[in-house]
This record gives sequence, C-alpha cells and structure tokens, in this order.
Amino acid sequence: EAGVAQSPRYKIIEKRQSVAFWCNPISGHATLYWYQQILGQGPKLLIQFQNNGVVDDSQLPKDRFSAERLKGVDSTLKIQPAKLEDSAVYLCASSSGTSPTDTQYFGPGTRLTVL
Amino acid sequence: AQSVSQHNHHVILSEAASLELGCNYSYGGTVNLFWYVQYPGQHLQLLLKYFSGDPLVKGIKGFEAEFIKSKFSFNLRKPSVQWSDTAEYFCAVVMDTGRRALTFGSGTRLQVQP
Repeated sequence: EAGVAQSPRYKIIEKRQSVAFWCNPISGHATLYWYQQILGQGPKLLIQFQNNGVVDDSQLPKDRFSAERLKGVDSTLKIQPAKLEDSAVYLCASSSGTSPTDTQYFGPGTRLTVL
Repeated sequence: AQSVSQHNHHVILSEAASLELGCNYSYGGTVNLFWYVQYPGQHLQLLLKYFSGDPLVKGIKGFEAEFIKSKFSFNLRKPSVQWSDTAEYFCAVVMDTGRRALTFGSGTRLQVQP
C-alpha cells in the first residue's frame, strides 16, 4: 500500500514569510498527526485530527500556525509569519484508528529552513 | 505530562557487537511503548511496540525490547549489530488515557563500523 505522502520535501523561506505543507495519509486512515522535529530532538506533536475534527492542538502555536483537514483526508499545515525558530522538519503521520496501541505511519517530512 | 529520556545520544559500535539503548519514561499510569528507527535518508518506521502481555517483545531485524515497569524502562537490544543498523533510534510512549499522540525521546544515533 502507498505510504504517507508529503510535499514539498524542502522549503527555504525568509522570516516573516508564510509557508504551507501538504500531507496525504494512508488511504482509510482516520487519524492524522503533524509533528515538528527540531534538529537534535525527537518529534513533538503539533496537532492531531480524527477524520476532519481536531482532537489535540494544545501544543500548536496558534498565533502563527494553522492546520486543516478537509473532508477527513488530506491535510495542510500553514505557518504565517515564520520565525527563525520554526526551522525544523515537519512530519505527518497517520493511523487507522485512535487506539493508543495503533501504529503511526510517518511520511518523509518537509525540511523547512527559515533565514 | 509524560516525558521520555534517552541517555545515549551517540553510540559507536563495531559489527557483531551487542547493542543496548536505554529508554526511561516518566508516567505512573498505563503506557504503550514504541521504538521507531530512522535509517539515513528514510522516514521513521516502527521497530517494535509493547502494550500488554509478555514484557519481552521482539521486533523486526532481530531487535527486541524489555519493559520493566518498576524501573519505568523500555530498553532496546540486539545481540549482534550489522553495518545496516546504522540509524537513529527513537523511543516513544503513548498513555492509555488522554492524549493519543506519541511522546518521543530525543533519539540515539547509532553508528556501526564495519
């Protein structure tokens, strides 16, 4: 089966610019996650969707970050305006359900550099 | 809030050496534990997971991990590493209640020398 797809793979922007990332989860997966991975750290959850509803966005910096999952399939994550500290890899993951034992499948990530 | 500690940041081994990577978590309730691996240029993928039953779990590529509840640990082991095991390894936890997302440790970079 096809894995989690993300685009773009790399993005370089200047601070105060805006950027958007796209994720297409594994077909049929109800739960979608966006993680931020700063160099030298483990991934950190930004937002979790179940179908097209938000389950957890407690760690999303809502003054600059936004995310949506229209029709419960694809998702976009936006940063506006970007700051230097937003330089990171943004990972999308999906799982079939919401059980804590479900395996999360990760995409290749988008590496963002903010200059 | 739960947290995960991986004390070995960078490990260098020769082929055929034995491997043990430490992982400790801080949460008193029921947890589900995972090890993910990221090979160079590839995405994160599941190595193994534990949620109940036998505390010794076996994963892909000869890896295993042991859950020791009294020590809040979930160490990863492999009796004989290969050059192809060179990768970054992440321990992660999901609580049985509340948030369903993974809480990751900071990762351990393993370098296996031929």
